[in-house]
Amino acid sequence: KAGVTQTPRYLIKTRGQQVTLSCSPISGHRSVSWYQQTPGQGLQFLFEYFSETQRNKGNFPGRFSGRQFSNSRSEMNVSTLELGDSALYLCASSLVGFPYTEAFFGQGTRLTVV
Amino acid sequence: GQQVMQIPQYQHVQEGEDFTTYCNSSTTLSNIQWYKQRPGGHPVFLIQLVKSGEVKKQKRLTFQFGEAKKNSSLHITATQTTDVGTYFCAGHSGGSNYKLTFGKGTLLTVNP
Repeated sequence: KAGVTQTPRYLIKTRGQQVTLSCSPISGHRSVSWYQQTPGQGLQFLFEYFSETQRNKGNFPGRFSGRQFSNSRSEMNVSTLELGDSALYLCASSLVGFPYTEAFFGQGTRLTVV
Repeated sequence: GQQVMQIPQYQHVQEGEDFTTYCNSSTTLSNIQWYKQRPGGHPVFLIQLVKSGEVKKQKRLTFQFGEAKKNSSLHITATQTTDVGTYFCAGHSGGSNYKLTFGKGTLLTVNP
């Protein structure tokens, strides 16, 4: 079966701009989680969606937002980009929710803010 | 909030040597998962532990969950070059909390 697809794979943006990242989960998976990965902080939880509802949000500023569509595809948006937002953004899909079942990560989107 | 500490941060071994990484949570966990991330890759699920004192094996890998469900370990016997990567533990505090808190990982390098 097809894996988790994240687009784009690489992105370079300028400070102040906004960006939208996309995640297509494995077919049948209804839960999508987003994580930010940086060398210093490791994997930090952003938010989790299930059937178009956000069930959990991490400790990130309001510039970080997300949504999930009826086909379970998810997007996350970062507005007013800062240099510190440079990171690998990973999404993970699972059947019912990350902590309860195996999760499958996408390849990630590498965002560089200059 | 919940914190998950993982040690060591780095481990370099000679091929054939054993390797262990340890994970400690500031709170009691409902379950814990382990992931492996190869250099340049994405995290790949290895296993989930749920029960107090649980021990699971996958070939040369042995995973343990502490009796108090606050710590866990991953032990690799006779490492191979294919074991290279970062190993993460990720803990869940339970309830209607749909997030995993990741440790910062242990980067394992293996000298052939």
